[in-house]
Amino acid sequence: QLLEQSPQFLSIQEGENLTVYCNSSSVFSSLQWYRQEPGEGPVLLIALYKAGELTSNGRLTAQFGITRKDSFLNISASIPSDVGIYFCAGQWISNTGNQFYFGTGTSLTVIP
Amino acid sequence: AAGVIQSPRHLIKEKRETATLKCYPIPRHDTVYWYQQGPGQDPQFLISFYEKMQSDKGSIPDRFSAQQFSDYHSELNMSSLELGDSALYFCASSLTGARNSPLHFGNGTRLTVT
Repeated sequence: QLLEQSPQFLSIQEGENLTVYCNSSSVFSSLQWYRQEPGEGPVLLIALYKAGELTSNGRLTAQFGITRKDSFLNISASIPSDVGIYFCAGQWISNTGNQFYFGTGTSLTVIP
Repeated sequence: AAGVIQSPRHLIKEKRETATLKCYPIPRHDTVYWYQQGPGQDPQFLISFYEKMQSDKGSIPDRFSAQQFSDYHSELNMSSLELGDSALYFCASSLTGARNSPLHFGNGTRLTVT
């Protein structure tokens, strides 16, 4: 597995903050965070393109590591609709095109 | 905004049958990716096409083939289906020529092989 995420499972109370980590030994040209609900396709949350880039999208904040090998996603003031599986995905740009590889996933439960 | 459209949404087949999954990318996106996701697993890359040519190949079985047509829609053909092929199959599209172009996913096809 190119991208390892931690934790694998996360159960928190509504209103709490949480952080998901994504680590790799490989360097990526960009990194994205997706959220997936059961039986649905992953939905893009945040995309990161520059080393060290810190980007926010509402209650979500993510940063791309300075070495382009890692990232974190922070969700503040969690709400029940945040439940789902969160994936990071790293992009490689090769001679033949773009390749995207997914992390191992973090399953989030929010307790009302 | 238009999204990635996949059909059918659900498909039930018997062992050794064939299945065809269709994907219509976001307009003007030039690259299509196919992923397979088993229960509790992360999406596994199968194959991708850029401008109607195969660009990358992942863990796609030899029993599977895919192509991208002149209108940029793509089809994943699966033959001699096995029980282990039961999974969610996602198509995603992006604009390869644009630097800042992440993947945009369809809602998937749930294939059940009995």
